[in-house]
Amino acid sequence: AQTVTQSQPEMSVQEAETVTLSCTYDTSESDYYLFWYKQPPSRQMILVIRQEAYKQQNATENRFSVNFQKAAKSFSLKISDSQLGDAAMYFCAIGGIQGAQKLVFGQGTRLTINP
Amino acid sequence: DTAVSQTPKYLVTQMGNDKSIKCEQNLGHDTMYWYKQDSKKFLKIMFSYNNKELIINETVPNRFSPKSPDKAHLNLHINSLELGDSAVYFCASSQPEVPYEQYFGPGTRLTVT
Repeated sequence: AQTVTQSQPEMSVQEAETVTLSCTYDTSESDYYLFWYKQPPSRQMILVIRQEAYKQQNATENRFSVNFQKAAKSFSLKISDSQLGDAAMYFCAIGGIQGAQKLVFGQGTRLTINP
Repeated sequence: DTAVSQTPKYLVTQMGNDKSIKCEQNLGHDTMYWYKQDSKKFLKIMFSYNNKELIINETVPNRFSPKSPDKAHLNLHINSLELGDSAVYFCASSQPEVPYEQYFGPGTRLTVT
């Protein structure tokens, strides 16, 4: 079974500063994918960034980057130059590449951006 | 064009009623999913269909019955609604070759009174 844990229910950051959201996971799979999804008040689930477990290089998408530590089963999200539009719930998730293709989500972290 | 659409977006109903939520995707995907997000924002898979065939059923009460008339549609029918069914229900779709790219619908907020 796969599990995902986000230990920070809430985080806040000043606009233009950097914030890191934590995520740890557990899986018995040797190959898998990790994701960060953003859910703004509109409740739409938006994929922010994806990391393939077999890739050592950390994924980056503009202001969003991850710190993937496979041995430690850690997958944190760094948001640089925070903007007001980044305010949302952020969910860490894991997905397998074989068999059932469900996503398993963490509990979420509510991010507030202070102007 | 909307990739994954759900109707209705909001649904308020009384305990004991039967209701359906519809989902359609125009991405040509073979696999569709239903997720439930509870009041604490926790998201969990309910069902997955691949080409109209059920492949995941995560110990969901049998009051919930997914129906896939074709691979572009996956509807969720709920019988004898209970207060605890109140949640946001998300439909999603993906290609089997690329299961990690799941596209979510806008969600349906179900409130049972």
